[in-house]
Amino acid sequence: EVQLVQSGAEVKKPGESLKISCEGSGYNFNNDWIDWVRQSPGKGLEWLGIIYPADSDTSYSPSVQGQVTISVDKSITTAYLQWSSLKASDTAIYFCARRNGGYDDYWGQGTLVTVSS
Amino acid sequence: EIVLTQSPATLSLSPGERATLSCRASQDFSSYLAWYQQKPGQAPRLLIYDASNRATGIPARFSGSGSGTDFTLTISSLEPEDFAVYYCQQRSNWARVTFGPGTKVDIK
Repeated sequence: EVQLVQSGAEVKKPGESLKISCEGSGYNFNNDWIDWVRQSPGKGLEWLGIIYPADSDTSYSPSVQGQVTISVDKSITTAYLQWSSLKASDTAIYFCARRNGGYDDYWGQGTLVTVSS
Repeated sequence: EIVLTQSPATLSLSPGERATLSCRASQDFSSYLAWYQQKPGQAPRLLIYDASNRATGIPARFSGSGSGTDFTLTISSLEPEDFAVYYCQQRSNWARVTFGPGTKVDIK
């Protein structure tokens, strides 16, 4: 069974750093791209970026380029999304998803990130 | 960047009724379009890909159509579990993905 399991909710202060994770199982993790998608409170879905675990090839949405870093540790089949300096506007639920055949067929359960002073 | 517009923003219907949701793109991108369903507190769920193909396990009451700039998701007869928010998504470019703002289907 394909599963993407994300790390738990986080509460941080503005300016702090954070790294959230997404562990894949039940499929060949190296061979499928992983997307990261954001959902701000009460809002729609926003694509942030994508990574290919086999070679860490990464691409970002222009809206977050330079603001976040996507990485992967294929030895533990885990993808990451990280910030070096959080802002209140980063408060959102963050989803990872497996890109298969061009679309996101399996999703993680989401990680709620709250940034507040 | 391709911008997706969904209409209506909210669709109020009763169980058993037919739902027709629209997704319009700011420019032609062939048929690289998907539809997702999202219920409160849950991750999105892939329903339709490449505009008209049902994803694995999706009931036949869900169907997609369209190409170019105009796409439609139809739910032939609403079941109680279908009341949710529906998003369209385009992937004209592998690394340039955008979602529409969503259509909420709620109970009349």
